[in-house]
Amino acid sequence: RKEVEQDPGPFNVPEGATVAFNCTYSNSASQSFFWYRQDCRKEPKLLMSVYSSGNEDGRFTAQLNRASQYISLLIRDSKLSDSATYLCVVNMGSGGSYIPTFGRGTSLIVHP
Amino acid sequence: EPEVTQTPSHQVTQMGQEVILRCVPISNHLYFYWYRQILGQKVEFLVSFYNNEISEKSEIFDDQFSVERPDGSNFTLKIRSTKLEDSAMYFCASSGQGTTSGEQYFGPGTRLTVT
Repeated sequence: RKEVEQDPGPFNVPEGATVAFNCTYSNSASQSFFWYRQDCRKEPKLLMSVYSSGNEDGRFTAQLNRASQYISLLIRDSKLSDSATYLCVVNMGSGGSYIPTFGRGTSLIVHP
Repeated sequence: EPEVTQTPSHQVTQMGQEVILRCVPISNHLYFYWYRQILGQKVEFLVSFYNNEISEKSEIFDDQFSVERPDGSNFTLKIRSTKLEDSAMYFCASSGQGTTSGEQYFGPGTRLTVT
């Protein structure tokens, strides 16, 4: 069964901490990868795409490891406002036919 | 900043009734999607739509579901005969590019409650 797996957490960290999440995917032909954040009972909001070379956006860094089939998200200097569920999304499929597949999400709680 | 909008925000319906959920995607986007999220569970893909036809659909998207782009702005999801298990949050999303690379932007969702 093709799936995207994440540790549900919660990760409970103090403000200013660095925290990292991993996500594994089962389909080696997967094309594109994203991190979204979702606040309670709200819509997913795009955080960043994940590129093969890795990419950084401010305090957030995403990495892709195709050989081991996982992506990661690193958050530096955590803020209270970073508290949310972080969703890993993988476009899974092949031959031009891809379906966005979500992980269950990793819950992050940043406390003072 | 352009955004995806959805109406209604909450819909309550009786089992067996038809419902239509409405979405207005971002105006220059060409790819449209519907997802659902049952409370406490993960977001699940239902269908993608491009160039006035379905591109992909999941096993969930059976004959009870249909999608339409009736005019240049709206994108609708119809559930013909609702079941209790259709109760969920339904999200519409749009993208400027297809699923091989496109970043998707989600609307605020419609909470569907089937009684």
